[in-house]
Amino acid sequence: GAGVSQSPSNKVTEKGKDVELRCDPISGHTALYWYRQSLGQGLEFLIYFQGNSAPDKSGLPSDRFSAERTGGSVSTLTIQRTQQEDSAVYLCASSGGYWDEQFFGPGTRLTVL
Amino acid sequence: AQSVTQPDIHITVSEGASLELRCNYSYGATPYLFWYVQSPGQGLQLLLKYFSGDTLVQGIKGFEAEFKRSQSSFNLRKPSVHWSDAAEYFCAVGPTGTASKLTFGTGTRLQVTL
Repeated sequence: GAGVSQSPSNKVTEKGKDVELRCDPISGHTALYWYRQSLGQGLEFLIYFQGNSAPDKSGLPSDRFSAERTGGSVSTLTIQRTQQEDSAVYLCASSGGYWDEQFFGPGTRLTVL
Repeated sequence: AQSVTQPDIHITVSEGASLELRCNYSYGATPYLFWYVQSPGQGLQLLLKYFSGDTLVQGIKGFEAEFKRSQSSFNLRKPSVHWSDAAEYFCAVGPTGTASKLTFGTGTRLQVTL
């Protein structure tokens, strides 16, 4: 079946602009995660959704970052007023439940000029 | 809080040689442990996982890993490396009862020489 998909695959934006990154999880997966991969920080957890609620937002680096999930499926990560330090690959993962393995999407490479 | 250490940033092996990638974790209870592989421009692919039971875990692509509680280690091994194994390998721990996330090590980049 289809895996986790993310769009766009690449995004180049100017400093100060807002961006939206989309994640389509595996059908039926109730848990959804966002991670960020950058040269300086490695792989960092951002946020966890169970259904449409986010019981763990502890990894969001600032209030410029927000995420939502609708219909227990698609999720959008929004970064407002982007900064150069936001440049990274943003990875989405989904799993069948809290204790199940996480399947990762190909990521969105964000470049902030 | 859980943490993962991968002490080797970069490893080079010859094709056909054996491979061992090191991973040490810090967690107070029995951890859930994972190895993921990431090829250039690709997402993370799960190689294998340890939840409980047999401490020697078999994965895809001929990889295996052994959980050693006494050493807090979960090293990844392959008896004979192929050129296509060149990639970055990440060890991860989690989730736990209080944290839903995976905590990753910094990764080991594997280069395979022909």
